[in-house]
Amino acid sequence: ETGVTQTPRHLVMGMTNKKSLKCEQHLGHNAMYWYKQSAKKPLELMFVYSLEERVENNSVPSRFSPECPNSSHLFLHLHTLQPEDSALYLCASSQIAGVAGELFFGEGSRLTVL
Amino acid sequence: AQKITQTQPGMFVQEKEAVTLDCTYDTSDQSYGLFWYKQPSSGEMIFLIYQGSYDEQNATEGRYSLNFQKARKSANLVISASQLGDSAMYFCAMREGGDYKLSFGAGTTVTVRA
Repeated sequence: ETGVTQTPRHLVMGMTNKKSLKCEQHLGHNAMYWYKQSAKKPLELMFVYSLEERVENNSVPSRFSPECPNSSHLFLHLHTLQPEDSALYLCASSQIAGVAGELFFGEGSRLTVL
Repeated sequence: AQKITQTQPGMFVQEKEAVTLDCTYDTSDQSYGLFWYKQPSSGEMIFLIYQGSYDEQNATEGRYSLNFQKARKSANLVISASQLGDSAMYFCAMREGGDYKLSFGAGTTVTVRA
């Protein structure tokens, strides 16, 4: 069983809907990440939270809104998305330890925007 | 500029044979870490192996080994004795000193044939 759990695993939404992706890590890590994986593209970092503070926001459109209420939970709130936002959204966590410290990923939430 | 380059979009390998996946990286930092991940069709990214820039020995983890050539800035993954379960997408990634995130390459799809 993975130490990082993402829900829902699949989501279909219209462009006017509001939905949220949830991520929970059971590993005691102090950093959490959202990555976007589109077909035939490298993984794109969206947001990084370290000790519940956002430390990186990679020019992500405002229709994506992250929330990190505590070190174990991370949300990605979605509203008025576009069809090109359809992708696999991966959550990850890590223990910050210099350059080492691998990321532990969840199984992803596959989003389809109609 | 692309920090991680994986030039092989797809590879076929016969079961029980070895396969080498290429990865080159670009950084001006002296301290960095290199990672390989496996992504099966389920979507989860699974950490395989890590190499630090100051590590003198090539990293090994079971059937996985990392051929680290610092002067050439390459970090190729070698999978020995391929198994059918090794069929997946493989990603090379790097963390530069003082940074939180991992930067990923475009990935290589490996298909193991019986």
